Amino acid sequence: DSGVTQTPKHLITATGQRVTLRCSPRSGDLSVYWYQQSLDQGLQFLIQYYNGEERAKGNILERFSAQQFPDLHSELNLSSLELGDSALYFCASSVGQGASYNSPLHFGNGTRLTVT
Amino acid sequence: TQLLEQSPQFLSIQEGENLTVYCNSSSVFSSLQWYRQEPGEGPVLLVTVVTGGEVKKLKRLTFQFGDARKDSSLHITAAQPGDTGLYLCAFNMEYGNKLVFGAGTILRVKS
Repeated sequence: DSGVTQTPKHLITATGQRVTLRCSPRSGDLSVYWYQQSLDQGLQFLIQYYNGEERAKGNILERFSAQQFPDLHSELNLSSLELGDSALYFCASSVGQGASYNSPLHFGNGTRLTVT
Repeated sequence: TQLLEQSPQFLSIQEGENLTVYCNSSSVFSSLQWYRQEPGEGPVLLVTVVTGGEVKKLKRLTFQFGDARKDSSLHITAAQPGDTGLYLCAFNMEYGNKLVFGAGTILRVKS
């Protein structure tokens, strides 16, 4: 058990809809990262927050947004969903501002999103 | 363009066999990480290699960082079905804020 909790585990929705994925980091971790994993793209970095502030941005679409709340949990909002958004979405956390030897990433078990 | 090239993409072997998977790049890295991901779960960190030429052992797994810090390998001795999973290498970009993963090697160990 990594200590990172993601909800829901599975989500099935229709094209054009909006969903919210939730992540609770490990106790004591201040950074939260969001990743998307699909068969054709692999594990792709989306965005990182540290103590409530955005730190780094990856290949995140404009239809997607995220935030980290004062209690350090994070939400990833996906809107105007398309079939191609179907994927596994992982949250990870680390104690420091970035992933490093002394601040490794701990991943949750992901949310499987299916857009029909 | 993949910054990290992992090979092979897929490996299916019998229990007890040895295997090596590779992670290559044209870039020099300050460190490299290896993760294993099992079906239905998130990636789990196995090891971080930092020094060129470094060798780290984790039970039957041996990790090596190339002398020039551009490549790494993972060798598994006497593979077991429990080793089945997706093996990913990763490196830090942007001062650690962005961990970039290779496409991974899918390993299947048959009993």
